[in-house]
Order: sequence, then structure tokens, then C-alpha cells
Amino acid sequence: QVQLEESGPGVVKPSETLSLTCSLSGGAFDDYFWSWIRQPPGKGLEWIGNIYHSGSTNNDPSLKSRVTMSVDTSKNQFSLKLASVTAADTAVYFCAREGSGGLDYWGQGILVIVSS
Amino acid sequence: QVVLTQSPSASASLGASVRLTCTLTSGHRTYAIAWLQQQPKKGPRYLMKVNSDGSHVKGDGIPDRFSGSSSGTERYLTISSLQSDDEADYYCQTWGTGLGVVFGGGTKLTVL
Repeated sequence: QVQLEESGPGVVKPSETLSLTCSLSGGAFDDYFWSWIRQPPGKGLEWIGNIYHSGSTNNDPSLKSRVTMSVDTSKNQFSLKLASVTAADTAVYFCAREGSGGLDYWGQGILVIVSS
Repeated sequence: QVVLTQSPSASASLGASVRLTCTLTSGHRTYAIAWLQQQPKKGPRYLMKVNSDGSHVKGDGIPDRFSGSSSGTERYLTISSLQSDDEADYYCQTWGTGLGVVFGGGTKLTVL
């Protein structure tokens, strides 16, 4: 069974860089896009971007200048860095797999609070 | 740019059926969408893919009570024999080359 798990700090100071990692178990890493999504408190889902196992990426234009994504296929992990964070970046961050039918496997999410 | 529109809320009685709607922008009527369920305090769960021809493919372990259909720019999720744990937020989502991933605003379903 495919399982995804996000990890990283739960609190980040304003203007610093948020760094998260998603670890995959129980499934193949190749041949899929892997997405990052976030959900601000009480709001809907927002797509941040995705990365292919080759390392090619796509980003939401509104965040593009602050987002860096990378992949480590040897560890079945992919990572997100979001620079220059503000309180507006406080959210639950999810990683998910993009199957042929949409975002078909999700992590449980990690709450990241931007606060000094 | 594709936009997915969902009603903010819906309600139905325990044991009844409900149909939720996701509307695509008119220029994107051939797009498939996926339905996701998010129960309170949980991560989203994949329900199914709904194609423009009305066919649907469900995710692993999704009960028969959940089904999908289409008409024009509208994609539907029907839940029959409503149970209390069907009370959740339901999101539609689409994707495409150069498009990335797009979400609808979500529908909050209340089971009365």
C-alpha cells in the first residue's frame, strides 16, 4: 500500500525558509509526478507545485519565485523549500501522488506555523 | 485557465442520497476531474476520477454508495444511503499539461 509521510519543523520564523520532506513507502517512485499542496486554517486546498522523478518541476505562478523542489530517488523522498515566509504561509502542508486519475495518495499533512 | 466551481455547502438526511456538483469553465468540458473527501481534522482521501463521458473509476476501497457522472461541463458525485461519517468537505480537482493541478473551492456536506 502506498504511504506518504511529511516531515519537518512545525514552526518557522518570518522571513526564513520553510523546509519539508515527503517520504514514500510501499510504492514505486518512478513514472509519477509528486505534488505539494497546502491548506490554510479553515480554507480550501491550494496547489503549490509538483516534481517528476527526473527532477523536472511545475509550480503555481503565485508562489513560483519562492518555491524550490527537489527529489532523492535513492531515498524515495522529495522535498519542498518555501523562502521568505510570512504569516500567510501558515497552513497544513500535504504531499500527494499524481496518478492517472488525479491526486490518489496523500500524506496525513503537517501543520507549519509561521511565528517569531 | 480552467476554473472549478462548487457550491459552498450541501445537506441531506441520514440514509438519503445527495448529488454534489463541480462545474468546469466552458472551454474545458472535455476535462476529467477527481473527487476528494476530507473528513474533519484529516487529510484528503481520493474517491474517484470522473471522465467527460460520464464514466468513473473509483479508488481503492471506495464503497459502492459513491458514484460519479457527467453532463456537459458538470461533473457529479452522488452519495447514496448517507452515513454520519460522510459528513465532510468534498473537493474536485483537475490537471493537465501546462495546467498543473487545480482545485475547486470545496463543498461542505452536512448529514442531518
